[in-house]
Amino acid sequence: DSGVTQTPKHLITATGQRVTLRCSPRSGDLSVYWYQQSLDQGLQFLIQYYNGEERAKGNILERFSAQQFPDLHSELNLSSLELGDSALYFCASSVGVAGGDPSSEQYFGPGTRLTVT
Amino acid sequence: LAKTTQPISMDSYEGQEVNITCSHNNIATNDYITWYQQFPSQGPRFIIQGYKTKVTNEVASLFIPADRKSSTLSLPRVSLSDTAVYYCLVGDGSSNTGKLIFGQGTTLQVKP
Repeated sequence: DSGVTQTPKHLITATGQRVTLRCSPRSGDLSVYWYQQSLDQGLQFLIQYYNGEERAKGNILERFSAQQFPDLHSELNLSSLELGDSALYFCASSVGVAGGDPSSEQYFGPGTRLTVT
Repeated sequence: LAKTTQPISMDSYEGQEVNITCSHNNIATNDYITWYQQFPSQGPRFIIQGYKTKVTNEVASLFIPADRKSSTLSLPRVSLSDTAVYYCLVGDGSSNTGKLIFGQGTTLQVKP
């Protein structure tokens, strides 16, 4: 158990709908990351927050948005869903900021499997 | 855009040493290189992290040449339980935005 929790575990919804994925980081971790994993695209970095502020942005679509709240939990909002959005969405957390910080080891949650029909 | 390249798959036998190399041609200057292990239906799990030269922990070693354009994960004496997908993770040096890039993953199959 990494200490990172994600809800829900599974989500089935229809095209055009909007969903919210939730992540609670490990206690003490200030950074939260969101990733999308699909069979054809592999693990794609979406966005990172550090202590409530957006820190880095990756291949996140304009239909997607995220935020980190004062209690450090984070939500990823996916709207106008398309079939191609079906994937595993992982949240990870770390003490520091990934990259140039040696305390940037990321702990991943179990993921949310999103199926868009 | 930085690009990372790993072999798609590798086979090994129990007890052998396995080396997996990741090429990253445009890594962020100050960023660390990190390797993760992933089992089916689970999130990736941290293995090792380094900036340059060699790093060793209880499960693996990481070799990084001076130019930092590649890194090699070394798993000593693998067992069947090491069958998994292994990913390298680096910062994108071309954009200076903090963007992170995973390699496409190497599926390691350990045979008895």
